[in-house]
Amino acid sequence: KNEVEQSPQNLTAQEGEFITINCSYSVGISALHWLQQHPGGGIVSLFMLSSGKKKHGRLIATINIQEKHSSLHITASHPRDSAVYICAVGWAYSGSARQLTFGSGTQLTVLP
Amino acid sequence: DTGVSQNPRHKITKRGQNVTFRCDPISEHNRLYWYRQTLGQGPEFLTYFQNEAQLEKSRLLSDRFSAERPKGSFSTLEIQRTEQGDSAMYLCASSFLADTQYFGPGTRLTVL
Repeated sequence: KNEVEQSPQNLTAQEGEFITINCSYSVGISALHWLQQHPGGGIVSLFMLSSGKKKHGRLIATINIQEKHSSLHITASHPRDSAVYICAVGWAYSGSARQLTFGSGTQLTVLP
Repeated sequence: DTGVSQNPRHKITKRGQNVTFRCDPISEHNRLYWYRQTLGQGPEFLTYFQNEAQLEKSRLLSDRFSAERPKGSFSTLEIQRTEQGDSAMYLCASSFLADTQYFGPGTRLTVL
């Protein structure tokens, strides 16, 4: 079964801390996405990557294709970063479909 | 263009009733996706369109569910004879081919 697993499920941090959220997947992918979901449901796409590393502001996403693993890092965390962070992958075998399979999400709470 | 929009944002219905949701994608996007998200879980793929063609459907999409995208622009998702298990957030996303998917705010369905 093709799976996406995230850890930790819940994470509480103090403002300013460096945060890491991990994502592992089972088979080859075409692309991996990191998404942010705020209370009320709205989802924002943070990164789409298939190799290496991407950075946007205080957010950094890395992927290791050989190890089938990706990490999302948040530097100098802030209470406004509190949200659910979701990893999603497009499987390489799915041809042109590109539908995503999602992890169950990591609930991040940053305390002031 | 202000992004992907979905209507209604919330829908409460009684078991056995039919409901219809609408998604308006970003105008230049040719792909449109429907996902379902239950509480505490990541979204699950339901179906996707490229232009007006429905190219893939998940086994989650029972015969009570039907989706259309008649002119390759907006899409509708209809659920007939709703059941309590249909209660979820229904998310729409759009993309240009295999590029980043942009998500709408979702429609939260509650079946009483």
